[in-house]
Amino acid sequence: ETGVTQTPRHLVMGMTNKKSLKCEQHLGHNAMYWYKQSAKKPLELMFVYNFKEQTENNSVPSRFSPECPNSSHLFLHLHTLQPEDSALYLCASSQREPVVNEQFFGPGTRLTVL
Amino acid sequence: AQKVTQAQTEISVVEKEDVTLDCVYETRDTTYYLFWYKQPPSGELVFLIRRNSFDEQNEISGRYSWNFQKSTSSFNFTITASQVVDSAVYFCALSVFQGAQKLVFGQGTRLTINP
Repeated sequence: ETGVTQTPRHLVMGMTNKKSLKCEQHLGHNAMYWYKQSAKKPLELMFVYNFKEQTENNSVPSRFSPECPNSSHLFLHLHTLQPEDSALYLCASSQREPVVNEQFFGPGTRLTVL
Repeated sequence: AQKVTQAQTEISVVEKEDVTLDCVYETRDTTYYLFWYKQPPSGELVFLIRRNSFDEQNEISGRYSWNFQKSTSSFNFTITASQVVDSAVYFCALSVFQGAQKLVFGQGTRLTINP
């Protein structure tokens, strides 16, 4: 298994659909992250989970709902999205302490909202 | 607040040329970490290097080298004898430890190596 996996790799959904993105890390890390990468914007941090507890919500609209049932799995539940939410969604993990460590990224989910 | 600026949006060079990607950062913290990531067309960000603010020693790894200068708040990345496989988008990022590890990314530099 590669370090961080994401499914699905591609997703097309309508504005009224509900879907979920899944991320799994096999690195024994204790922090997980969701990032959004749009065409003309820098990578934007959306959510941070440390030891399964959400520690950061970077002013993300409520139509994005994260879930972290354990330190290896992270979900992003999507509902009533807008076309401007179309982007590459990247999951990452890292070992939180004692220093700032590098984050390892998954391959991303390319989301298209029609 | 933290900020990372990669002024070069796109760079195109011929194979075997050396190329330097610029990164300038802003932070008021005295302890911080700098990173470089590579994003090939497949989309996955690949970690290249981490440097903390107390270690200004330059680093070389094969054809890659990094020049960290606190005096100019820069952390530049040089690829020597570039190869087509180096074509990718490269991101510089900054992190400070504030209870959660938050990476602030630059806009990225798209590097194209032509054969």
